[in-house]
Amino acid sequence: EPEVTQTPSHQVTQMGQEVILRCVPISNHLYFYWYRQILGQKVEFLVSFYNNEISEKSEIFDDQFSVERPDGSNFTLKIRSTKLEDSAMYFCASSDQGGGNIQYFGAGTRLSVL
Amino acid sequence: KQEVTQIPAALSVPEGENLVLNCSFTDSAIYNLQWFRQDPGKGLTSLLLIQSSQREQTSGRLNASLDKSSGRSTLYIAASQPGDSATYLCAVIVGNKLVFGAGTILRVKS
Repeated sequence: EPEVTQTPSHQVTQMGQEVILRCVPISNHLYFYWYRQILGQKVEFLVSFYNNEISEKSEIFDDQFSVERPDGSNFTLKIRSTKLEDSAMYFCASSDQGGGNIQYFGAGTRLSVL
Repeated sequence: KQEVTQIPAALSVPEGENLVLNCSFTDSAIYNLQWFRQDPGKGLTSLLLIQSSQREQTSGRLNASLDKSSGRSTLYIAASQPGDSATYLCAVIVGNKLVFGAGTILRVKS
């Protein structure tokens, strides 16, 4: 069964460093998403991406964050200068259509900022 | 602003019991509703998606209902098993994003 793949599974970084989280969405999907879950809190929406541009973003997704689809298969989330409060599990998701279609999630990347 | 609440926060039942998990949302202007399962430290596994025009959706021992006008959904698990132990998340789909509840932690004792 097709699945969303995320790498690495765990990333440890120093405060102020840049990190790139990588995702390979399901191959025929056109809509891509990033969510995050701080330990003990709800899963929160960060950004949605379609047709090579951001379609929606949350208040969390400030200038420190960016997303990119560098080639036909990868979808990345970059955090330019990490803060302690960026420590969380980051989930990538994809769907074949927008407007309420089912979203499939990857296993997540646990980001630890020291 | 859409808020999603799940009750109870935690539930412990003996194996074989039928159970109901509840989800409520404040704004009925949703596209669809999706139920997920999350195992500790793991990703989210989609269980069921109910479209806003539907009342019910079934998959195996799982049955999810949706009453959009009252802002409620329930997930019914029949004949629970220890392998069902996990956190169950409800999320409403608003535009391009999912808005999640905090989840119900389910423990099924053998």
